[in-house]
Amino acid sequence: EAQVTQNPRYLITVTGKKLTVTCSQNMNHEYMSWYRQDPGLGLRQIYYSMNVEVTDKGDVPEGYKVSRKEKRNFPLILESPSPNQTSLYFCASSLGLQGTQYFGPGTRLLVL
Amino acid sequence: DQQVKQNSPSLSVQEGRISILNCDYTNSMFDYFLWYKKYPAEGPTFLISISSIKDKNEDGRFTVFLNKSAKHLSLHIVPSQPGDSAVYFCAASPTGANSKLTFGKGITLSVRP
Repeated sequence: EAQVTQNPRYLITVTGKKLTVTCSQNMNHEYMSWYRQDPGLGLRQIYYSMNVEVTDKGDVPEGYKVSRKEKRNFPLILESPSPNQTSLYFCASSLGLQGTQYFGPGTRLLVL
Repeated sequence: DQQVKQNSPSLSVQEGRISILNCDYTNSMFDYFLWYKKYPAEGPTFLISISSIKDKNEDGRFTVFLNKSAKHLSLHIVPSQPGDSAVYFCAASPTGANSKLTFGKGITLSVRP
């Protein structure tokens, strides 16, 4: 089954404790992206990657890092999480820049 | 600066009637538009798209209309069904090597049985 998977689905952590949210897709897509969804703000792009070892900032990259060492994986790293990073995070992938984006189920993060 | 605007946060319609969800954009470089649907506890799923060379695209009960001069698009759902109750996001993208989607805030549609 073609899908985008994210882990963990739910995470509670404390300020400053490094964490990684994994994202994996099995569709051989070149393009992958991370979004956060906040009430009243919709979906905002954090980072995106056009292919292996090619990443770029989205609209709200501060406080986040990403890496794309393999085509299928695109982890999101929070080196020192803060409460304002409490949000619902979605990973997405597509075949090309304007291809249909397929979203993962979301990771709900609470930073205390 | 919100480049994709969905000014109505919610819409409630009776089952069987038409749902019209509106979206406005400000960036003249946008030429590809999409609608995504999102149920609670799930990721958004693609619904329908339209390129700027068209003014209408239809897929079953869903039709998207684009008015480039007004920088406005709308999603029509006819007839509306209770299973259509979800959050609908409008998204837009410009042509170019670094294209990326800009999403609106979303509209919560409730279809009453």
